[in-house]
Amino acid sequence: AQKVTQAQTEISVVEKEDVTLDCVYETRDTTYYLFWYKQPPSGELVFLIRRNSFDEQNEISGRYSWNFQKSTSSFNFTITASQVVDSAVYFCALSEAIRQGAQKLVFGQGTRLTINP
Amino acid sequence: NAGVTQTPKFRVLKTGQSMTLLCAQDMNHEYMYWYRQDPGMGLRLIHYSVGEGTTAKGEVPDGYNVSRLKKQNFLLGLESAAPSQTSVYFCASSYFRVTDTQYFGPGTRLTVL
Repeated sequence: AQKVTQAQTEISVVEKEDVTLDCVYETRDTTYYLFWYKQPPSGELVFLIRRNSFDEQNEISGRYSWNFQKSTSSFNFTITASQVVDSAVYFCALSEAIRQGAQKLVFGQGTRLTINP
Repeated sequence: NAGVTQTPKFRVLKTGQSMTLLCAQDMNHEYMYWYRQDPGMGLRLIHYSVGEGTTAKGEVPDGYNVSRLKKQNFLLGLESAAPSQTSVYFCASSYFRVTDTQYFGPGTRLTVL
């Protein structure tokens, strides 16, 4: 069965520090998709990135970067020069095909990130 | 373009009461999903739909029913609420293919006393 592990339950850093959120996954599928979502204190889930299993190229978007390593089944997320607004719970998720083209997202337990001023 | 909306945002029920949660999307998405989020457990899939008039069970379907009479709406019903159904409920939708990203609504916080 698919599984996503976010071993870091909570992380607290001081503003402007760099921080990396770890994500390790398990799957038997050869084709799969990985996601990161952000859940700020307001509660909504905000999509950050989607990565397919054939594309191991790292991605950078402003202060955010993602490192996908198939060899270690990891998809880590780094925030550079963190800001207070980055404080949120971050979820890593793995797609699992169910039926008729639908997919279930298997979520990790989330990492609560607190950025202190 | 409002994306995915959910009503209500908050609700308190007594054990045994019934209610319906409404999810609406204006992106012409084929696929819609209902998840629940419990502390420390991430999100789990309750039911889903691959198109108008279709529904299917997800990971934790017991105690819930769903309907998709119109493509843009996906309803989640609780016939006889139980305290174990206290949770935050999220609706999501995606365009078509299995590869497409799911976009989430703002959530409904439900408390069953």
